[in-house]
Amino acid sequence: KNQVEQSPQSLIILEGKNCTLQCNYTVSPFSNLRWYKQDTGRGPVSLTIMTFSENTKSNGRYTATLDADTKQSSLHITASQLSDSASYICVVSWANQAGTALIFGKGTTLSVSS
Amino acid sequence: EAGVAQSPRYKIIEKRQSVAFWCNPISGHATLYWYQQILGQGPKLLIQFQNNGVVDDSQLPKDRFSAERLKGVDSTLKIQPAKLEDSAVYLCASSTPPSAGGGYTFGSGTRLTVV
Repeated sequence: KNQVEQSPQSLIILEGKNCTLQCNYTVSPFSNLRWYKQDTGRGPVSLTIMTFSENTKSNGRYTATLDADTKQSSLHITASQLSDSASYICVVSWANQAGTALIFGKGTTLSVSS
Repeated sequence: EAGVAQSPRYKIIEKRQSVAFWCNPISGHATLYWYQQILGQGPKLLIQFQNNGVVDDSQLPKDRFSAERLKGVDSTLKIQPAKLEDSAVYLCASSTPPSAGGGYTFGSGTRLTVV
């Protein structure tokens, strides 16, 4: 069964600290893995997208890693800011006959406090 | 590039009433998706269109939910009659084919509250 599991479910950190979010998946066949940031009441916004052959990708203070052998990914946030408070969703995609199908994790809720 | 447009942003209805949501995808995106996101959970795919044809509607509660994309561009999602458990954010997304990068863009969603 295609599944995406994320941990921790929620996380509270102080402004300026770093944190790492985890994602394990069992989706097959694998197309790519995406990390999204979703602010409350808004649609998800893409942070990174990695294919099977990519191990790491950065987007500003966000760095995602991917180990396709162990089917694990992580999202590292450096020097957190209050605006980083959001839900971070790991999404694994595979290609169906018409396009791209996505399997979503339940997300990690990050709260950054001052 | 304009994003995926959705309306309304918020809707409050009583149970057993009907409601409709509208989505305008990014120009040129042939594939359009509707997702239901219940508070605290990841989005769940309801239906996927390729142009005006349905590719996947296996998780759409067809006894009360319907969706159409008649001209292969805009799409509407309808719930009739609504139940309390339908309270959620309804997200529309569109994408390019995998051969064109598989770019995937979400709209801001419609937050539905059923009372």
